[in-house]
Amino acid sequence: DAKTTQPNSMESNEEEPVHLPCNHSTISGTDYIHWYRQLPSQGPEYVIHGLTSNVNNRMASLAIAEDRKSSTLILHRATLRDAAVYYCILLSVAGGTSYGKLTFGQGTILTVHP
Amino acid sequence: DGGITQSPKYLFRKEGQNVTLSCEQNLNHDAMYWYRQDPGQGLRLIYYSQIVNDFQKGDIAEGYSVSREKKESFPLTVTSAQKNPTAFYLCASRGRGVETQYFGPGTRLLVL
Repeated sequence: DAKTTQPNSMESNEEEPVHLPCNHSTISGTDYIHWYRQLPSQGPEYVIHGLTSNVNNRMASLAIAEDRKSSTLILHRATLRDAAVYYCILLSVAGGTSYGKLTFGQGTILTVHP
Repeated sequence: DGGITQSPKYLFRKEGQNVTLSCEQNLNHDAMYWYRQDPGQGLRLIYYSQIVNDFQKGDIAEGYSVSREKKESFPLTVTSAQKNPTAFYLCASRGRGVETQYFGPGTRLLVL
């Protein structure tokens, strides 16, 4: 499985933008980039995913480098509820069928200061 | 409401005892997954099932067993062979042709 590298922790102030980086230099052409987040003592929650183009949804934006070897999750205005562990995960689609096996690293602990 | 439920929220296991964790989903999802999370770590895949009556081992299947007799249910048994079972156990499901996994609230297993 292709691996991802994320900073162990980041800090932000409330209502400021947050850019969470992820390196995935060994990504293959069939790997989607997924982001999940996990609040304390809860199950992970899907945030966003993409393949090549930048993506936006109501929670966040995903900026993908042109060579796809890195990506950045963007929270436009951080709130205290955004404090969580953020996981960047590569999901392979083999032969057009996704087996859905998510491989979680240690993620980035995001602290949001009021 | 549609979603994934896990029970119990907390479970205590005695030495040498088998315990079963429940996972139910009413999302009509084909695929279901069991993950284990240790403190300060990411999730690791134990077992997964893409269809009823079929399941595959994940990365850390030793000491665990599963069944998938119904589409909506995927129970996980932690056997006495699992020597270090204390962890947070998470169940997830995924619809066909969809990439997103939906997770349950988790069960925390503790050894007495």
